[in-house]
Amino acid sequence: NAGVTQTPKFRILKIGQSMTLQCAQDMNHNYMYWYRQDPGMGLKLIYYSVGAGITDKGEVPNGYNVSRSTTEDFPLRLELAAPSQTSVYFCASSRNTNTGELFFGEGSRLTVL
Amino acid sequence: AQKVTQAQTEISVVEKEDVTLDCVYETRDTTYYLFWYKQPPSGELVFLIRRNSFDEQNEISGRYSWNFQKSTSSFNFTITASQVVDSAVYFCALSEANSGGYQKVTFGTGTKLQVIP
Repeated sequence: NAGVTQTPKFRILKIGQSMTLQCAQDMNHNYMYWYRQDPGMGLKLIYYSVGAGITDKGEVPNGYNVSRSTTEDFPLRLELAAPSQTSVYFCASSRNTNTGELFFGEGSRLTVL
Repeated sequence: AQKVTQAQTEISVVEKEDVTLDCVYETRDTTYYLFWYKQPPSGELVFLIRRNSFDEQNEISGRYSWNFQKSTSSFNFTITASQVVDSAVYFCALSEANSGGYQKVTFGTGTKLQVIP
């Protein structure tokens, strides 16, 4: 059972570079999310999606973009990396209802130098 | 706006002691859901429990128990007879529908629990 798979697990970027964090789930969940976790700050929602073709901003969307062309995939794009984007990124998914628990990937640690 | 407060940043206990992690939330909705997640040192986030706003019954699962009190907007988590494997960061979270009817989950800042052998 793969669940939620994130790649890469670690990445170092230079300021101004771009990259995409990949996220895939095999549970046929409609809801998918991207969170960032900064030390001592809990998790902040970046973007979420309620189904293929539908995305919306969370609390901290600036500097990021997402797309949802399929139910399975929800990539997160950083266009011009900045040191403030150094963080651990978690992708999550949940079932259709508002009551579902979140299933998280293992996280991607990104450092921008 | 919804808010989740975990006032305890770090807690250290000796193995076999009981420990309670506090969670206080704010919401204007009458229908909402509360969660606890565990993040062990390996980094992944693991779901522990979900409770809806209409169910105030306490729940016990092995050494874990949860006390939900709407009157004080609290959803506290107790570990009985703590073990070293309980060492982790524990997050409380609140879920309510936003204006579009979609699930929005807000996390607290977490409580780091260290269980000393």
